[in-house]
Amino acid sequence: AQSVTQPDIHITVSEGASLELRCNYSYGATPYLFWYVQSPGQGLQLRLKYFSGDTLVQGIKGFEAEFKRSQSSFNLRKPSVHWSDAAEYFCAVYGQNFVFGPGTRLSVLP
Amino acid sequence: DAGVTQSPTHLIKTRGQQVTLRCSPKSGHDTVSWYQQALGQGPQFIFQYYEEEERQRGNFPDRFSGHQFPNYSSELNVNALLLGDSALYLCASSIQARSYNEQFFGPGTRLTVL
Repeated sequence: AQSVTQPDIHITVSEGASLELRCNYSYGATPYLFWYVQSPGQGLQLRLKYFSGDTLVQGIKGFEAEFKRSQSSFNLRKPSVHWSDAAEYFCAVYGQNFVFGPGTRLSVLP
Repeated sequence: DAGVTQSPTHLIKTRGQQVTLRCSPKSGHDTVSWYQQALGQGPQFIFQYYEEEERQRGNFPDRFSGHQFPNYSSELNVNALLLGDSALYLCASSIQARSYNEQFFGPGTRLTVL
């Protein structure tokens, strides 16, 4: 069965600081992995996706994520956080269908 | 190019009633998936429609049913509403032929059951 865990419920960082959001998945084969972001009252918007190939994936707005098969992880990173990055972040795995993690809420201090 | 649209935006119902939510997929997409997102949780997969048939289903009771029309739009129906059905219902569209199944989400319908 597929599953996704996001160990951090809430993370607070200062604007300009670096960020890492953790994601661990469980799936028998090579999965398709995604990071989605959700602002209050909004639907989900895709930030990054990994299908195959290079394990370091570059996304929009300076985000990147690294797929580590040995650790079953797909952590999201950003070197310098902007206030507009504050939102809920969801990691998802697609194997037989989409399974989302519980989300990590990111707060950004000015 | 319009993205995924959903209606209505908000809905208030009472226990035992029935509700219908609607979704229009992104232009060129032929597959629609529905998700339930309870407050403070990640979205949970309800079911997926392609070629007007339910193709996959998550762990939801038969009270949850759906339909897809020839123009690829879709409806989600929930019967005998329970308080626990209160949630944000998200629709996502994709292209079936693409194996990676990248999904584009609508803004959701907020359902409140009193």
